[in-house]
Amino acid sequence: DAGVTQSPTHLIKTRGQQVTLRCSPKSGHDTVSWYQQALGQGPQFIFQYYEEEERQRGNFPDRFSGHQFPNYSSELNVNALLLGDSALYLCASSSETSGTIAQETQYFGPGTRLLVL
Amino acid sequence: AQSVTQLGSHVSVSEGALVLLRCNYSSSVPPYLFWYVQYPNQGLQLLLKYTTGATLVKGINGFEAEFKKSETSFHLTKPSAHMSDAAEYFCAVSNFSGGYNKLIFGAGTRLAVHP
Repeated sequence: DAGVTQSPTHLIKTRGQQVTLRCSPKSGHDTVSWYQQALGQGPQFIFQYYEEEERQRGNFPDRFSGHQFPNYSSELNVNALLLGDSALYLCASSSETSGTIAQETQYFGPGTRLLVL
Repeated sequence: AQSVTQLGSHVSVSEGALVLLRCNYSSSVPPYLFWYVQYPNQGLQLLLKYTTGATLVKGINGFEAEFKKSETSFHLTKPSAHMSDAAEYFCAVSNFSGGYNKLIFGAGTRLAVHP
């Protein structure tokens, strides 16, 4: 059973560019959340997708956007990259059918490490 | 608003010694609490979680944590450290805001194990 997968593993971009990161959830999961982990910090919630809709968003600017596809995979897009966007971007998947929403365990992928120069 | 505080950004223990990683939370509703481990250049792996019921929770790799409501704590322990336990550990609380689940993480504790 494949876990959460993310691509690419590493990425180098320059300021002002745009980037797209991809995530495939764990088999049977329908909800995808994205987190940003800056160096030396804990992950920060960016947003969550369910049924192809963004349903919750953290304190991130509109430069951060996403998409969820019918097969539940997801993309994270970041426009007009800033140096401060350099971080590890983590995707987590979960399922709403396993119990109450808050009890769902989120399973994390290995992350995409983005470096903005 | 919910928050998590992990006391000690770095903890160093000898192999075979007790591991104690501290986590305190703030929550206006009954919290669901998690510990995740992150090995170098990897994503997060769930160690254990508390939702309801028994307050002492056992996880993988010999770790356990006890939910203490009166102390708003969820400390992670392991009786005997192994070299392979060296990693970063994150405590997280589940946020119900809007009825949807998101995790709020602490800043992490880096555990070093020396011979």
